[in-house]
Amino acid sequence: AQSVSQHNHHVILSEAASLELGCNYSYGGTVNLFWYVQYPGQHLQLLLKYFSGDPLVKGIKGFEAEFIKSKFSFNLRKPSVQWSDTAEYFCAVTPNNAGNMLTFGGGTRLMVKP
Amino acid sequence: GAGVSQTPSNKVTEKGKYVELRCDPISGHTALYWYRQSLGQGPEFLIYFQGTGAADDSGLPNDRFFAVRPEGSVSTLKIQRTERGDSAVYLCASSLTPTRLAGRTDTQYFGPGTRLTVL
Repeated sequence: AQSVSQHNHHVILSEAASLELGCNYSYGGTVNLFWYVQYPGQHLQLLLKYFSGDPLVKGIKGFEAEFIKSKFSFNLRKPSVQWSDTAEYFCAVTPNNAGNMLTFGGGTRLMVKP
Repeated sequence: GAGVSQTPSNKVTEKGKYVELRCDPISGHTALYWYRQSLGQGPEFLIYFQGTGAADDSGLPNDRFFAVRPEGSVSTLKIQRTERGDSAVYLCASSLTPTRLAGRTDTQYFGPGTRLTVL
């Protein structure tokens, strides 16, 4: 079965700092990859997704992620975070030849200090 | 338009009781998913429906858990003889279609969840 690892459980940054959240998955085949975000008191929302093609994916709110197949990674980045980016971030994967259920990582809680 | 809705938002019950959790998907979405999120963890897949039928229930932890979607829209997750370990946030998601088009998974839209506490 596939699994997803998010290495950083808690990250604290000051506004304008750059962000990179790690995500690694274990699955040998083709996958679809996602980053979801959960703002305080809100439900999970899709930030961005990768299916195929350009491995650098742009999402909403200035986020991007890079798929590196050789490293089984899909790290999330943002050049300059804002206080409003304080949230929990989840990486998720679904194999391309299986059902549509998502396998999530454990999440990274980001706090941005104003 | 309206998103995925779940009721109740909070449910407190006693060990051994039966509970039902309801999910209203986005109108027109044929696929519906249930996940469970324990404290400090990411969501874990439970079951997904394609129309009225359960296409994959491999994530249900045991036979105390059951879900239905009789008319292909609203779904109910049922938990019998609840245990303290069942305490979690139960999330529902829906997507337009369950099938893959050109290798792409349809985006799943999540509801706010039902927080279940078993005392």
